[in-house]
Amino acid sequence: KAGVTQTPRYLIKTRGQQVTLSCSPISGHRSVSWYQQTPGQGLQFLFEYFSETQRNKGNFPGRFSGRQFSNSRSEMNVSTLELGDSALYLCASSFFRRGNTIYFGEGSWLTVV
Amino acid sequence: GESVGLHLPTLSVQEGDNSIINCAYSNSASDYFIWYKQESGKGPQFIIDIRSNMDKRQGQRVTVLLNKTVKHLSLQIAATQPGDSAVYFCAEDAGGTSYGKLTFGQGTILTVHP
Repeated sequence: KAGVTQTPRYLIKTRGQQVTLSCSPISGHRSVSWYQQTPGQGLQFLFEYFSETQRNKGNFPGRFSGRQFSNSRSEMNVSTLELGDSALYLCASSFFRRGNTIYFGEGSWLTVV
Repeated sequence: GESVGLHLPTLSVQEGDNSIINCAYSNSASDYFIWYKQESGKGPQFIIDIRSNMDKRQGQRVTVLLNKTVKHLSLQIAATQPGDSAVYFCAEDAGGTSYGKLTFGQGTILTVHP
């Protein structure tokens, strides 16, 4: 059974550009969450989607957005990139109920220069 | 705000020893806790979880203990191996409408010496 798949794995962007990251959840999982991981702030929750609807959102500016498709695949977008957006972006998936185990992908390493 | 924190940022052990990684949490509403292992360059890997109606749960070579009275969580790894070297995170699910949101501790770096 395939795990959570994230693409691309590595990318470099210039300040002011935008970026889109993609996530395919584990088959059968309908909840997809996104996290940002940095050395200084650790792992921080961005948002969660279920059935194409955002159910929860963390404390990030509006430049960070996401969406989920009918097949549960998800994308997140960061517009007007800043140097501080350099981070590992992790996607996680689970079944729909709270308390179901959350599994993470390998992440997308974003470097903003 | 409420957060999950780890007492020890680093832990160094010899191969074959038992390891104990500790975690303190402050949100009394949290009802589900998870331990993750993260190796360099990889995403967090699920190790074991425990719900608030339990005090102890065992897996293969790992045991998680939950003390709700003092809001403390620990991960015990038996017969630690070099492959166990990684950063270990505890995470809590705050309940309610916090769908998909886990609050993570800072992490403990476990180094296992052969």
